[in-house]
Formats: sequence, C-alpha cells, structure tokens
Amino acid sequence: AQKITQTQPGMFVQEKEAVTLDCTYDTSDPSYGLFWYKQPSSGEMIFLIYQGSYDQQNATEGRYSLNFQKARKSANLVISASQLGDSAMYFCAMSPHYNAGNMLTFGGGTRLMVKP
Amino acid sequence: DTGVSQDPRHKITKRGQNVTFRCDPISEHNRLYWYRQTLGQGPEFLTYFQNEAQLEKSRLLSDRFSAERPKGSFSTLEIQRTEQGDSAMYLCASSPPSGSVDTGELFFGEGSRLTVL
Repeated sequence: AQKITQTQPGMFVQEKEAVTLDCTYDTSDPSYGLFWYKQPSSGEMIFLIYQGSYDQQNATEGRYSLNFQKARKSANLVISASQLGDSAMYFCAMSPHYNAGNMLTFGGGTRLMVKP
Repeated sequence: DTGVSQDPRHKITKRGQNVTFRCDPISEHNRLYWYRQTLGQGPEFLTYFQNEAQLEKSRLLSDRFSAERPKGSFSTLEIQRTEQGDSAMYLCASSPPSGSVDTGELFFGEGSRLTVL
C-alpha cells in the first residue's frame, strides 16, 4: 500500500520569499510517480509538478521545483518568489505507476498563507 | 477547450434520499476517476473507468454507491439511502489515453459538494 504524509498543516510565508512544503511517502514499489496539486478555495485541484521515480533530475515548472530525495522517500515542493495568489491548500500525491496518474493517493495537505 | 465539468455543484439532501452526480470529462480523455474529499482531508480514490469499463473500485465504495459510464463519455455517481457520513466533496477527474502524455496528470473538475442533513 502507498502512503503520503504531509506534516505541516499550515505554513506562513512572506510575499516574494521562497517556501518549502514537506512530503514523505512510503511504498514498496520501485516504479511510482509523485505529484503536487494546488487547491484554491474554489475547490478545483490544479496540477503543479510531477516527478517519476526513475527521473534523475529534480522536476521544475516555473516557480515550482520538486526536491526529490529517493533514499529518504521525500518529495518536497519548493515555491520561489511567493505571490499572494499562492495562498491555497497544497496536496502531495503518489501514483502506483511511473508514467500514469491513475488512482492517486493523496496526503492530508498543507495550507499555505502568503503574507503581504 | 472546456475542462471537466460537474453537476450539480452543490446538493443538500435529507438522510435516506438518493442523489446522483454527473461528470463530463474533457472530450478526448478516455480515463475517468471519482474521488471523495471530506473537510480538511486530501481526496480519496473511489473508482476508475477506462472508456466504459469500470476497472478499479475502492473499498470506500460501499454497496450504496454506484458509478457508471455507459458510453465512455460522461459518468454518473449515485449514492442511495444517503447518510450524514456521505457529506463530502465529490471530485471527478479525467486523463488522456496512457502513453500520450508525459506525466499522467489528472485534470479535475470543481467538484460536487454534498450535504446530508
């Protein structure tokens, strides 16, 4: 079984600063995918970034980067230059396959609040 | 390009009533998923369709829950004899055929919020 743990229920960050949201995972499968989604108050889950278990490089997408440490089973999200619009819930998730988002297992989420 | 749409967005019902939610995926997506999200929690997987075939069902999907995707396009999720514990946001997501994207990203709708009184 796969499990995702997000230990930070809430985080504050000053506008324009960087912030790291923690995510650890547990799986016995050698092949898996890791995702981060953003959920604003409107409710829609917005895909941010993906990391495959076999990917050698850390994933980056604009201001988002994923700090993937396979041996430690961690997949932390780094948001650089925070903006007020980044205030939302952030979910780390895992899929059972390297290249498929089927049947994601989500963590409990971290609420990020950006201060002006 | 329209995204995933869900209807209704909000539903208030009395305990014991039946409710049905509809999801229209992105048109070229053959895979469709239902998730349930309770307040303050992450979404939990309920079921997965590839075209019209229901390939996976979570143990969370009790016999009061049934999902269909009869023509491989839109899907419905019905809850019979609703209970207060069914109160949650029901999220639908879709994705294109396997191999056609790099990441397997899921595209989510805005959800249908159910309140059972």
